[in-house]
Amino acid sequence: GAVVSQHPSRVICKSGTSVKIECRSLDFQATTMFWYRQFPKQSLMLMATSNEGSKATYEQGVEKDKFLINHASLTLSTLTVTSAHPEDSSFYICSALIGGVNTEAFFGQGTRLTVV
Amino acid sequence: GIQVEQSPPDLILQEGANSTLRCNFSDSVNNLQWFHQNPWGQLINLFYIPSGTKQNGRLSATTVATERYSLLYISSSQTTDSGVYFCAVLPNAGKSTFGDGTTLTVKP
Repeated sequence: GAVVSQHPSRVICKSGTSVKIECRSLDFQATTMFWYRQFPKQSLMLMATSNEGSKATYEQGVEKDKFLINHASLTLSTLTVTSAHPEDSSFYICSALIGGVNTEAFFGQGTRLTVV
Repeated sequence: GIQVEQSPPDLILQEGANSTLRCNFSDSVNNLQWFHQNPWGQLINLFYIPSGTKQNGRLSATTVATERYSLLYISSSQTTDSGVYFCAVLPNAGKSTFGDGTTLTVKP
């Protein structure tokens, strides 16, 4: 199946710093990617839809100035957590879709962010 | 928005037992997928199954779109099957909506 690569898999950062997470589609082009957040023992919650060449669409309650999304090419979307705080610690995961009528989602490996 | 409910929330099995996980959804969907999230957090695609039945080894899945549910069957469970199983639906605009998952523990 299709491959979505996410990097880094783990990151520890200090409060107040920014962290960038990359999501790449390795063998297909993705005009749209999605970013999710997952708290321990909970389901995945959609944060935003990343659109190539245009602004991301954020879900209600997600701070767009804190979670900056850039989708500069058809194979790369980045999520930057700015001025990170301990409450931003979480598991972040991206996905991309393949197919028209029969759309299938593929997910990256996820990034576990710990803010200390 | 669409509601996705999974049951049971937790399931403990003895190795070798069979199980059925259920996913109910509240509206018509274009797609339904089952995933296994391993202990490292990675989501593994199990089935893309908007309708019908598919089988892959010890796993099989059935979606009855007209009745808005899907079932995941695990036969002869193994300890490596442990983890969280999610179903996700794409009702529109390509946004996957996840259920809360079923946490499966298979004991040796």
